[in-house]
Amino acid sequence: GNSVTQMEGPVTLSEEAFLTINCTYTATGYPSLFWYVQYPGEGLQLLLKATKADDKGSNKGFEATYRKETTSFHLEKGSVQVSDSAVYFCASTLGYTDKLIFGTGTRLQVFP
Amino acid sequence: EADIYQTPRYLVIGTGKKITLECSQTMGHDKMYWYQQDPGMELHLIHYSYGVNSTEKGDLSSESTVSRIRTEHFPLTLESARPSHTSQYLCASSPSGQETQYFGPGTRLLVL
Repeated sequence: GNSVTQMEGPVTLSEEAFLTINCTYTATGYPSLFWYVQYPGEGLQLLLKATKADDKGSNKGFEATYRKETTSFHLEKGSVQVSDSAVYFCASTLGYTDKLIFGTGTRLQVFP
Repeated sequence: EADIYQTPRYLVIGTGKKITLECSQTMGHDKMYWYQQDPGMELHLIHYSYGVNSTEKGDLSSESTVSRIRTEHFPLTLESARPSHTSQYLCASSPSGQETQYFGPGTRLLVL
């Protein structure tokens, strides 16, 4: 069945370090892929998305490329800030429904 | 981006009480969703609606019920709260023809 797998956290980095959070998916058809971010005490916010193979989603310095051949959608940022500390969720559309399936979330902690 | 509101933000209540968690959105989105987020951060879809008078159960069995009498309003009710209902509840909405879901800030429920 459909699933989304992302790396376990916490990921702990110093400010200005390079960030990668891995995400892979299994799906029937061609799902759309998303990264959401959840700051402490808040709901999820859409960070970026990609709807077809080779698309690159980008926002606030974060990027992710839809790789059909490796069924991956890894999140990257070249230089993280303390304010990026949050939980990041990878998500995929579920088949031909309007539902999303989420990974288990990866907590990022950035220290000055 | 959608304006989506949840009240209350925090609720502490005793076992056996009836509670209703409110969710409203002002963007006229047809699709609305309720998720339960456990302390390990994972999100589970418990209810969804594709429009007025349409409600469906999600992937995680829940003792809660929902209603959709108006497009903008999607309340969730627990007839008799139990400690096992302690969790964060997130509401989301999405316009027809789109896959992106927009989340409210969440309600954190503690049942004693």
